[in-house]
Amino acid sequence: KAGVTQTPRYLIKTRGQQVTLSCSPISGHRSVSWYQQTPGQGLQFLFEYFSETQRNKGNFPGRFSGRQFSNSRSEMNVSTLELGDSALYLCASRTSTGSGELFFGEGSRLTVL
Amino acid sequence: AQTVTQSQPEMSVQEAETVTLSCTYDTSESDYYLFWYKQPPSRQMILVIRQEAYKQQNATENRFSVNFQKAAKSFSLKISDSQLGDAAMYFCAYRDPLITNFGNEKLTFGTGTRLTIIP
Repeated sequence: KAGVTQTPRYLIKTRGQQVTLSCSPISGHRSVSWYQQTPGQGLQFLFEYFSETQRNKGNFPGRFSGRQFSNSRSEMNVSTLELGDSALYLCASRTSTGSGELFFGEGSRLTVL
Repeated sequence: AQTVTQSQPEMSVQEAETVTLSCTYDTSESDYYLFWYKQPPSRQMILVIRQEAYKQQNATENRFSVNFQKAAKSFSLKISDSQLGDAAMYFCAYRDPLITNFGNEKLTFGTGTRLTIIP
């Protein structure tokens, strides 16, 4: 069974631009979460989606947005990029039963210049 | 708000020895989940072990075991017979009980402990 797939793996943007990151969950997983990982702030929760609905949102500005499609694939978008948005963005998926273990992708490394 | 604290930014252990990573957390909930995740240099976060708070028995997965002290809100990870492949960042994480099957799955992570294995 394929794992969580994130694209692109690496990208470089300049301040003011926008970026879209994609996440394909494990087949059968309907829930997708996004986390931002930085050396200074560690791992911080961005949002979670289930059945195309955002169910929970972390403490991030409105420049950070996301969506989920009917096939459970998810995208997150960051508009008007700032230097501080440079980070590893991790996507995770889970089943809707059991302990709800999260399965993570390898992440998308965003560098903002 | 729930918080997770890992007070050891870095740890090192000789290969084949045993090491314990510390984690404390704060919550007002009585039922919740605790996890240890491993993030090797390849970056993919991998679940090492999980513990349900309502279970008194400490979880064990092969060489990995936890010491769960609910009253003290402590959740340490013991790695026995350390191997070179154990070198990674280790994150302790907390999650509230699921209100529904698919609600409130947010994980709160600690700041991590970098584990180095000395050959």
